[in-house]
Parts: sequence; structure tokens; C-alpha cells
Amino acid sequence: GIQVEQSPPDLILQEGANSTLRCNFSDSVNNLQWFHQNPWGQLINLFYIPSGTKQNGRLSATTVATERYSLLYISSSQTTDSGVYFCAARVGGSRLTFGEGTQLTVNP
Amino acid sequence: DGGITQSPKYLFRKEGQNVTLSCEQNLNHDAMYWYRQDPGQGLRLIYYSQIVNDFQKGDIAEGYSVSREKKESFPLTVTSAQKNPTAFYLCASKTGTENTEAFFGQGTRLTVV
Repeated sequence: GIQVEQSPPDLILQEGANSTLRCNFSDSVNNLQWFHQNPWGQLINLFYIPSGTKQNGRLSATTVATERYSLLYISSSQTTDSGVYFCAARVGGSRLTFGEGTQLTVNP
Repeated sequence: DGGITQSPKYLFRKEGQNVTLSCEQNLNHDAMYWYRQDPGQGLRLIYYSQIVNDFQKGDIAEGYSVSREKKESFPLTVTSAQKNPTAFYLCASKTGTENTEAFFGQGTRLTVV
């Protein structure tokens, strides 16, 4: 099955800093999602982005499907951005496969 | 409100007992999924169902069972055969077409005591 790798595994920032999270996948995908897992464990949908670029406030994401990677950008980070960020990918109609996540800590 | 509801939020089970986790959705989604998450790790697929009365094993199905008798419901039973059941369980759903996003419930935290 598809392999999904995220980097870095851990990231510590000061409030106001910018960051880039990366997701590499081993096969051509038709579904790529970014999630934020809040402290209570719920997965919040950030982006559905199998290709191209999207922006939502301080967050944006880019997927380059031909090169098999996706990037999540967080600008002017806030303490509430802390948590785990997951990317997940699907090939065809198969299951959604998750990476191991990036643990982001934003310090005041 | 439309969404995915998992219950209960917290569940305690004695060793040797079966327990069933509920997942209900009113989004009219065809596909439903169960994932397991251990501390500090990603999500691993237990079972999934793409249509009523049909389901497939995921990567870690041993010790679990599911049913899909209704479109809106996909309960997961953790049996006594599951050797390490303490974990966070997440249910998801999506429409049946390929290029759509999945949505998750709030999860059930199961602890074996």
C-alpha cells in the first residue's frame, strides 16, 4: 500500500513564527487531506488538497502530485495552533493512509 | 446538526469482556471507517465499509469485529481476543465517490482495567 511520511516529527516555535510541514507519499494519489488533532483528540479537517494550492486564513497548503509531496504552511503561529498535524492520502478507492504526524508546540 | 457521533466518549472495560463502540452519521455517507490511535502515533485502519452489508479488514483487524446493517451506523466490537485494546478509537465517513474528503467523529477512549 501507499506509504506516507511526515517531517519534521516535532517542531517548537515562538508565537508569531512561520512554519512549513511536509508530507511525502509513495504513489500517485487522488485524495490528500491535512488534519489538526486538538488536545481532546478530535481530528479537524484543514484541507482537502489532492493537487494545487489552497489558503484558509493563516494556513495554506500546496500539493505537487507529480512530485509526490504536500506542504502545510502556518504563518504568524499562535499558541492555539499547538497540537498534532496529520496528512493522509488515498490511492484510487482504497483506504485513507495516515502519516505519523508532526507535533507542533507554539510557545508564548 | 449533521455530523458523526461516537459514543461513549470514555469507556472502561475489564479484561476478558467484549465491548461495542458506537458510530452514527447523518451525512448520508456511503463509506465508513474505524481507526485506532496509540499514544504518540498515527492512525491505523481497523475495518472499513463502502456500502451497507459489506465491509473489509484494514491493517489491524485481529480482535475486532464490525457490522454494517444500516447506512448510518457502523459499530465496532472490541473482543477479548484483542490483546492490547487500550487506545483511542476514531470513526470516519465519506461519500462513496473517490475524490471526496473524509470526516471524523470525536473519538472514544477505551481503557482496559
